Amino acid sequence: GNSVTQMEGPVTLSEEAFLTINCTYTATGYPSLFWYVQYPGEGLQLLLKATKADDKGSNKGFEATYRKETTSFHLEKGSVQVSDSAVYFCALSRYSGGGADGLTFGKGTHLIIQP
Amino acid sequence: GAGVSQSPSNKVTEKGKDVELRCDPISGHTALYWYRQRLGQGLEFLIYFQGNSAPDKSGLPSDRFSAERTGESVSTLTIQRTQQEDSAVYLCASSFSQGAFEQYFGPGTRLTVT
Repeated sequence: GNSVTQMEGPVTLSEEAFLTINCTYTATGYPSLFWYVQYPGEGLQLLLKATKADDKGSNKGFEATYRKETTSFHLEKGSVQVSDSAVYFCALSRYSGGGADGLTFGKGTHLIIQP
Repeated sequence: GAGVSQSPSNKVTEKGKDVELRCDPISGHTALYWYRQRLGQGLEFLIYFQGNSAPDKSGLPSDRFSAERTGESVSTLTIQRTQQEDSAVYLCASSFSQGAFEQYFGPGTRLTVT
């Protein structure tokens, strides 16, 4: 079956540091890939997505590129801020066309940014 | 309301009792999903509804778990004869059914079985 593996946390960085959170997946066919974020006291929300190989999703300074050859979707940001402190989840959908589907999630990575 | 709402926000129950968790999706969203998040784990998919039918129940962990949905509105997740391993945060999400990727999540119900 499908699975998502992401680096364990917590990840602690200083403000303005470069961030990478690794995510790899196992899936058949052509899945869509997502990063969701959960800020303290808030619900889970979509951060970015990519629906086909070599697509780059981006939002709020975060980027992730769908690499089919390495089955990866690593999350990066060039300069993190204290406000980026949150739990980040990598997820996949079986479908590339946006159909309704139960997502497969990784365990989440808790990111802590220190001023 | 503007977002997905869930009730109750917290539920403490004794082992062996039945519980009902409620989800109100965003108006107009035809797809509705239930997930479970146990401590230290990622979200596990339980079931999804398209309207009031459930094309995919593959994630329900046992026959003690069931869910129903009224039309394209409220959904209820029922857990019978609760066990301690059922303790988790239960999250509901909704979305459009076609051509849309984003699922909108509610705040969750934290269930504790003592």
